[in-house]
Amino acid sequence: AQSVTQLDSQVPVFEEAPVELRCNYSSSVSVYLFWYVQYPNQGLQLLLKYLSGSTLVKGINGFEAEFNKSQTSFHLRKPSVHISDTAEYFCAVSVNSGGSNYKLTFGKGTLLTVNP
Amino acid sequence: EAGVTQFPSHSVIEKGQTVTLRCDPISGHDNLYWYRRVMGKEIKFLLHFVKESKQDESGMPNNRFLAERTGGTYSTLKVQPAELEDSGVYFCASSQDGGRNTEAFFGQGTRLTVV
Repeated sequence: AQSVTQLDSQVPVFEEAPVELRCNYSSSVSVYLFWYVQYPNQGLQLLLKYLSGSTLVKGINGFEAEFNKSQTSFHLRKPSVHISDTAEYFCAVSVNSGGSNYKLTFGKGTLLTVNP
Repeated sequence: EAGVTQFPSHSVIEKGQTVTLRCDPISGHDNLYWYRRVMGKEIKFLLHFVKESKQDESGMPNNRFLAERTGGTYSTLKVQPAELEDSGVYFCASSQDGGRNTEAFFGQGTRLTVV
């Protein structure tokens, strides 16, 4: 079964510092991976996704993630964070639910808190 | 274009009562999903509609949960009778197709508290 592990439940950083949010997956087949973000009092918003091709994926708001098959990882990075990046971040994998239909399996989330 | 809309945003009910959550997907999206996040846990899949048909309901916790999508437009999720462990945030998402690379658009969620 495909699953996702987010190793850190909380990550506090100072403004303008770099950040890396870790995500590891387990899968015996090809994976499609996603990072979603939930800002306070808002719904989940797609940051970026890895489908195939280049292992370095760029997303919105200056975030990027690198797919590493040998380490089964899909870590999210940003070189310099802002106060407005404070949010909860979710890593997810697309799992087949029968036929050509898929559903998302999420990690537990990482709360990123950016301090001034 | 309006996004996915969920009603109500918050609901507090007593154990044993009934609650109905509603989700309006993005217009034209045939695929509609329900997910739930219990406090401190991961977001878990509940079920998937394709138009008005239930494609996958493997994540529904038990028969106290009933989801419907009449006419393939909005969907409702009814919990009857509610139990304490049903508390959590219920998310709805929609997408144009259900393929593995399709972006699902999420609503803000309904925070359900059973007391």
